[in-house]
Amino acid sequence: AQKITQTQPGMFVQEKEAVTLDCTYDTSDPSYGLFWYKQPSSGEMIFLIYQGSYDQQNATEGRYSLNFQKARKSANLVISASQLGDSAMYFCAMREPGGKLIFGQGTELSVKP
Amino acid sequence: DAGVTQSPTHLIKTRGQHVTLRCSPISGHKSVSWYQQVLGQGPQFIFQYYEKEERGRGNFPDRFSARQFPNYSSELNVNALLLGDSALYLCASSFVYSQVQPQHFGDGTRLSIL
Repeated sequence: AQKITQTQPGMFVQEKEAVTLDCTYDTSDPSYGLFWYKQPSSGEMIFLIYQGSYDQQNATEGRYSLNFQKARKSANLVISASQLGDSAMYFCAMREPGGKLIFGQGTELSVKP
Repeated sequence: DAGVTQSPTHLIKTRGQHVTLRCSPISGHKSVSWYQQVLGQGPQFIFQYYEKEERGRGNFPDRFSARQFPNYSSELNVNALLLGDSALYLCASSFVYSQVQPQHFGDGTRLSIL
């Protein structure tokens, strides 16, 4: 069965600094998609970035980049130049062959001024 | 373009009642999924529909049911509500139900059971 593990319940980062949120996954399927979502306290789930298992390059989307290490089965999210508005829960997720998303437990990021 | 819209935003029910939650996907999206998020946890998959057919079901009791309409909107129904059903219910849509397409979420419905 597919599984997503986020081992950091909470993280602190100083404003304008970079932060890495960890995500490891487990799957026997050679084809899969990895996603990161941001969930502010208001509750909406905001799609940030996607990495496909066959992608040769790490995904980037503005200040977000994904450090994809396939052999280690890790897909860490890097946020550069943190802003106060980045404070939120961050979820790593994998999409199964049938299409449903499997989520990790999440990491609560707090950005300090 | 409008994103995924869910209604109502908040709902308070008592044990034993039933509830219907509604979701309208992004225009052009044919796949709708429902997730339950209990406080402090990641979302758990409940149902997925594509082209009005159920394509996946999570580990939830038969009290939970859903359907998708010809316009691709969807309803989630929960009967005989229990205190443990209190959660944020999220609806997500995507163009197809493939592994490489991101799902886009609505703001959710917060359901409280008294």
